[in-house]
Order: sequence, then structure tokens, then C-alpha cells
Amino acid sequence: EIVMTQSPATLSVSPGERATLSCRASQSVSSNLAWYQQKPGQAPRLLIYGASTRATGIPARFSGSGSGTEFTLTISSLQSEDFAVYYCQQYNNWPPNTFGQGTKLEIK
Amino acid sequence: QLQLQESGPGLVKPSETLSLTCTVSGGSISSSSYYWGWIRQPPGKGLEWIGSIYYSGSTYYNPSLKSRVTISVDTSKNQFSLKLSSVTAADTAVYYCARAIPGIAVAGTQYFDYWGQGTLVTVSS
Repeated sequence: EIVMTQSPATLSVSPGERATLSCRASQSVSSNLAWYQQKPGQAPRLLIYGASTRATGIPARFSGSGSGTEFTLTISSLQSEDFAVYYCQQYNNWPPNTFGQGTKLEIK
Repeated sequence: QLQLQESGPGLVKPSETLSLTCTVSGGSISSSSYYWGWIRQPPGKGLEWIGSIYYSGSTYYNPSLKSRVTISVDTSKNQFSLKLSSVTAADTAVYYCARAIPGIAVAGTQYFDYWGQGTLVTVSS
């Protein structure tokens, strides 16, 4: 089974600054990686698919990069509404659709 | 705007069967482009894919849950359903239904673009 490892577990960043979140796969997932944002009490929201394609309605300050086993979600100029938990998910290998454990982005 | 809504009991006894239904509105569950999935999240923990179904009834299940899971679809009602048997406290979670976009690499791979609000199911006597 592919293990998705996200780092750091918690990231403290000030509003207006850049946040960089990492996701590592235990084996190659090509570019078949998605990122989600989840706020307390809400369902996850799709941000990025195909490692770098923003989903409909997602602001340009969210960007994804990487392929193979190393992926990055970058949020430029953090807004107050961006503080949340972020998950990566691979959809390349069987068993499929495995998620990382999440990175909590908190206000510094 | 596509909307999904989970419904079902919020409390299930150990060893019994958890049953949930997802009602889709604002779009057809019979679209050839999508699967429809269930994902769960234990309190304070991460996300786990349970399984997905196509409108034709074709299914994919997480191997770790496959022996206990049944997902079915009712296209006439624009609904799909989850049954999880022999539940224990470890099955306590928020259960989400979602629309699944098929991946191209391997059958059964998907990512999820529309989600229901989720429903908490507690397993307790």
C-alpha cells in the first residue's frame, strides 16, 4: 500500500506570508495527486488535482507542484480564511485513493 | 450547483450494520463521467476512502473494508447507499459522500470534487 506522508504536521505562518506544505509518497504516483482543504466542522474542499491544476473557483494564490514521490502545495500571501488542515491524496496506485495524515496550517 | 446530502442513523450498536444514503441534487447520478464515493473520518483523525460506485452498479472497495462493505445505487431516486456490517467502536466517524473523478492510471483510482456535509455515526451500545 502506498503511504502518503505530509510534513510538517503543524505549520505556523503569519497572514500575508507564504506557506509551503509537503507531501511524500512511498512510491511513485506520477502526477496523480490531489490536495484538499478542510476547515473545522466542514467537508474537505478540492484545491488541486493532477498535482498542479487548480480546481474550479480556487484562488490563484494556491499552487501545486511535483511529480513522482515529492509534492508541494504553496499558498502565497496567506489570507485569514486559509488557516485550515490540508490533505494530499494519491489516485495512481492500488489500493487507491489513500490520503496523507494532514498538515494543520495555523496563525503565527 | 451539485449538492450531496448524507442521511441515516447517527447511532449504531456494536455488531450491527451501519446504513447511510446519499441524495444527489443539481445533477444526475447517471452521468457517464463520474463515480460516487464514500469517505470517512474518525474524530480528530484523517480521511479514509471506503469505496465508490458507478451508475451501472460497478463498484470498487477499499481492501481493508471490503469484507464488510456494500455500496449500491438507485438511479430512479438519484441516490447511492453504504452498508457497513459488524461495526465496532473503530467505525465511529464522520461519513462523507462525494462525487468521484476517475483517474486514468489504474481502475478504481479517483479524486473527489463535490462532497456532502458529512454525518457523524457513533457506534455504541
